[in-house]
Amino acid sequence: DTGVSQDPRHKITKRGQNVTFRCDPISEHNRLYWYRQTLGQGPEFLTYFQNEAQLEKSRLLSDRFSAERPKGSFSTLEIQRTEQGDSAMYLCASSPRVAGEETQYFGPGTRLLVL
Amino acid sequence: QQQVKQSPQSLIVQKGGISIINCAYENTAFDYFPWYQQFPGKGPALLIAIRPDVSEKKEGRFTISFNKSAKQFSLHIMDSQPGDSATYFCAANTGNQFYFGTGTSLTVIP
Repeated sequence: DTGVSQDPRHKITKRGQNVTFRCDPISEHNRLYWYRQTLGQGPEFLTYFQNEAQLEKSRLLSDRFSAERPKGSFSTLEIQRTEQGDSAMYLCASSPRVAGEETQYFGPGTRLLVL
Repeated sequence: QQQVKQSPQSLIVQKGGISIINCAYENTAFDYFPWYQQFPGKGPALLIAIRPDVSEKKEGRFTISFNKSAKQFSLHIMDSQPGDSATYFCAANTGNQFYFGTGTSLTVIP
């Protein structure tokens, strides 16, 4: 399967713990996005990478959230000191570097539950 | 502030009927409007997309109608099938950001 993969698929943690999620984009895609989706809502943009550079961050991304994309390949999203309000589906998407091609390919998501 | 407003929130259609989902936006900088289909437990999957220089785009049973002056666009699913039952999201893109609607839960009754 050459699609976007995310790991883990599910995570249950206690409030105050740190969690880290991984996203492996489609190999030739240089653009990578993180979104958060809560029940009954559409995905909300969190951050965007072009290669290894983090070019945009949403105001939703508090200081407890950090994302990296070393070497422009896989990406990690870390949430420190988790809160119950962080419970959501975290989606990763990638997009190819083709002029005029904005199609995003989403992974299956990581569902986080903070107890 | 919701950049893209989507309606209805839920929709029930008989098999063979037409499903219509509407979206509206305000930001004229948006230049790419995709529709995504999402099944429970899965990530969204691109269904069809349109640019504002085109008023209609059709792919199989799926059609996007785009009204630039009204800043509205809609998804039409012809001959709706039970397998189309899913949540549909419209989105709008400018630069590196995508803004999604709140979703429409479609149920197609056999």
